[in-house]
Amino acid sequence: NAGVTQTPKFQVLKTGQSMTLQCAQDMNHNSMYWYRQDPGMGLRLIYYSASEGTTDKGEVPNGYNVSRLNKREFSLRLESAAPSQTSVYFCASSARGTGANVLTFGAGSRLTVL
Amino acid sequence: GEDVEQSLFLSVREGDSSVINCTYTDSSSTYLYWYKQEPGAGLQLLTYIFSNMDMKQDQRLTVLLNKKDKHLSLRIADTQTGDSAIYFCADFGGYNKLIFGAGTRLAVHP
Repeated sequence: NAGVTQTPKFQVLKTGQSMTLQCAQDMNHNSMYWYRQDPGMGLRLIYYSASEGTTDKGEVPNGYNVSRLNKREFSLRLESAAPSQTSVYFCASSARGTGANVLTFGAGSRLTVL
Repeated sequence: GEDVEQSLFLSVREGDSSVINCTYTDSSSTYLYWYKQEPGAGLQLLTYIFSNMDMKQDQRLTVLLNKKDKHLSLRIADTQTGDSAIYFCADFGGYNKLIFGAGTRLAVHP
């Protein structure tokens, strides 16, 4: 059972380049999330998708776009990368029913923007 | 906006108990969580507590919740070197989203 799979694991970009981070889950979860992790700041929510066909902004959405391609896949796109977007990005998913909203995380994608 | 705060660093001796503290501001929190992150990995759920509970115990882990003071703690009994990691407190409340603290780095030394 793979859980949440993110690609790529590492990426180096130049300022202004674009790229897409891919995320897929095989747990039939309704909700998916993109977080970024920066030292001393914990995880900050970029975008989330409560269910297939919907997406909403989180705390730090500027400079990013997302696509919920189907129930399994949720991609994060940087149209014009900036050094401030150097970070570790985590995708997560959850069943999001009436109980505890337990997130399952991917292993992370480390992005460096030069 | 809602906020979750934790101290950034804790150092303990192997075999001692570790206590990691967290405060949150959301008065409508329903669940509070502890996640663990080992180096180079994603976050793994350790445990969570429903807001109408005061305490939850799971083997070496004890979670205490003081809802009046909006204070959450995680106690790890008999701390081992394998417990060295970053521990995140998180709050699921009125904004219908999970808000994380900055994480507490636990260092276990002999």
